[in-house]
Amino acid sequence: GENVEQHPSTLSVQEGDSAVIKCTYSDSASNYFPWYKQELGKGPQLIIDIRSNVGEKKDQRIAVTLNKTAKHFSLHITETQPEDSAVYFCAARYGNQFYFGTGTSLTVIP
Amino acid sequence: NAGVMQNPRHLVRRRGQEARLRCSPMKGHSHVYWYRQLPEEGLKFMVYLQKENIIDESGMPKERFSAEFPKEGPSILRIQQVVRGDSAAYFCASSPQTGKEGYTFGSGTRLTVV
Repeated sequence: GENVEQHPSTLSVQEGDSAVIKCTYSDSASNYFPWYKQELGKGPQLIIDIRSNVGEKKDQRIAVTLNKTAKHFSLHITETQPEDSAVYFCAARYGNQFYFGTGTSLTVIP
Repeated sequence: NAGVMQNPRHLVRRRGQEARLRCSPMKGHSHVYWYRQLPEEGLKFMVYLQKENIIDESGMPKERFSAEFPKEGPSILRIQQVVRGDSAAYFCASSPQTGKEGYTFGSGTRLTVV
């Protein structure tokens, strides 16, 4: 069935350190996995995505890795900055819709 | 190039009233999705619509909730006889082609039932 698990639920890092958020998905998920960033009072914003035909994708300080065998994908943020503080959601597509993880609240401590 | 437009941003309704939430997708997008986000929780799928068609409403409560996406005008999520448990943020998203890429979300409507 459709299931996306996300860990951790909260994460605090010192400015400049790296942050890693992990998600697992079930067998029936599609081949497309986006990550969203949601700032307080705003809608989720797509920040990076990955398709199953690649294992890693990078965009400046953020990267996503995908392990198809283990059915998990991870978001990596390097050199974190205070403006990275937000809630991050992973998602996987099942049929007509995306199912979202429960979110990770990231706090970057200056 | 306006993004997904939702209005109102904030909506307060008394128990028993009706709430109408509107969503205009991005230009060129013909697929609309509604999600609900309860405090401290993730996004829960409600309904997927194309123009004049409900494609998937598996996430919609069976009673009091309805959605439409008419040929002209915005998509509407309607909640009749609201109860306190309906208080949440309701997000609309749109995409140009289902299954090909991620959604673009609006800023949401925060419904408070008093």
